[in-house]
Amino acid sequence: GIQVEQSPPDLILQEGANSTLRCNFSDSVNNLQWFHQNPWGQLINLFYIPSGTKQNGRLSATTVATERYSLLYISSSQTTDSGVYFCAVGPNDYKLSFGAGTTVTVRA
Amino acid sequence: EPEVTQTPSHQVTQMGQEVILRCVPISNHLYFYWYRQILGQKVEFLVSFYNNEISEKSEIFDDQFSVERPDGSNFTLKIRSTKLEDSAMYFCASKLGGTGAFGEGSWLTVV
Repeated sequence: GIQVEQSPPDLILQEGANSTLRCNFSDSVNNLQWFHQNPWGQLINLFYIPSGTKQNGRLSATTVATERYSLLYISSSQTTDSGVYFCAVGPNDYKLSFGAGTTVTVRA
Repeated sequence: EPEVTQTPSHQVTQMGQEVILRCVPISNHLYFYWYRQILGQKVEFLVSFYNNEISEKSEIFDDQFSVERPDGSNFTLKIRSTKLEDSAMYFCASKLGGTGAFGEGSWLTVV
């Protein structure tokens, strides 16, 4: 199956700081999504981004499919951004393989 | 905004018992999934369902597991005889095209 590696595994930020999370994957994909898992365990879909760049408020993401990586940018971080960020990829619509996640802690 | 709903939110069951986890996907979605997440670990794919049949399943999805879409709205995951290692958060997801949605999860504790 497709291997997904996320870095860094842990990230501690001061409120207001910017950060970049990275996702590398081992094979061509037609599906790539970023999720945020909040402290209550809910998985929130942030971006569907198999290629290109998207922005949603303080979050943006870029996927360079030819080089098999994706980046998630968090700007002006807030304490509510804390949680685990997962990258998930798949060759098609039928299956997603998740990375191990990046645990983000934003301190006030 | 439409959302995927799951019930129960938390269930405790005795080892060996049957469990049914229920999901109501978003109404116009065509692809349905179950994933699980053991505490502290990554989310793992279990099964996908499209056009009233399983389209793909993982090695985890053995004969103890089954899925069903008994009517036009529900999508269920049945675990026939639960084991301790089935304790996990189970997520249902659905999608139409590119963007999908996950439910809030059903936390299953097997004792």
